[in-house]
Amino acid sequence: GEDVEQSLFLSVREGDSSVINCTYTDSSSTYLYWYKQEPGAGLQLLTYIFSNMDMKQDQRLTVLLNKKDKHLSLRIADTQTGDSAIYFCAHSGSARQLTFGSGTQLTVLP
Amino acid sequence: SAVISQKPSRDICQRGTSLTIQCQVDSQVTMMFWYRQQPGQSLTLIATANQGSEATYESGFVIDKFPISRPNLTFSTLTVSNMSPEDSSIYLCSVITGDSPLHFGNGTRLTVT
Repeated sequence: GEDVEQSLFLSVREGDSSVINCTYTDSSSTYLYWYKQEPGAGLQLLTYIFSNMDMKQDQRLTVLLNKKDKHLSLRIADTQTGDSAIYFCAHSGSARQLTFGSGTQLTVLP
Repeated sequence: SAVISQKPSRDICQRGTSLTIQCQVDSQVTMMFWYRQQPGQSLTLIATANQGSEATYESGFVIDKFPISRPNLTFSTLTVSNMSPEDSSIYLCSVITGDSPLHFGNGTRLTVT
């Protein structure tokens, strides 16, 4: 199977919370990342977490890491239309190169 | 974080020609990488650009097709050689500075006709 797996699509109502999930297989991952890509744009680093942490909060964003299950999630509170984008989960090891998931297209409905 | 400038931002090229993409960073960086994002796909690492020596290519990518230069700590180029329509993609430069996470430029959107 794929090294990093994500659901392809997620739709939420404006104001609700969004939760985007990611699973990975490489247990040696050191850093885990969430990137956002808006249409026609490059990748914007949203947040990242070290593998020895289990949670990180940054304003509306909460990252949860379950290292035992190799599961990473990104929660966006009070989702807005400007949050509509593709969200990529990625991980890296000591070599610092990233392996990306397929991306989750988040659609925020009014 | 470092400011990454990539040029050109987009181009339309004819098959059989080559295009060189430039990546300029406003500060010295530890590592530079080149990624490719094919239409509707995720990102795939092409190579690690090494300063003053040959780039380290990932499986499926070769120097003859994607020559890379990195003459100093702030600049790198990626050339897409002898292009075909299958090379139509977004090509992204990315950098790491110290212990910082990976940051990306805005990418070069290439269309080969």
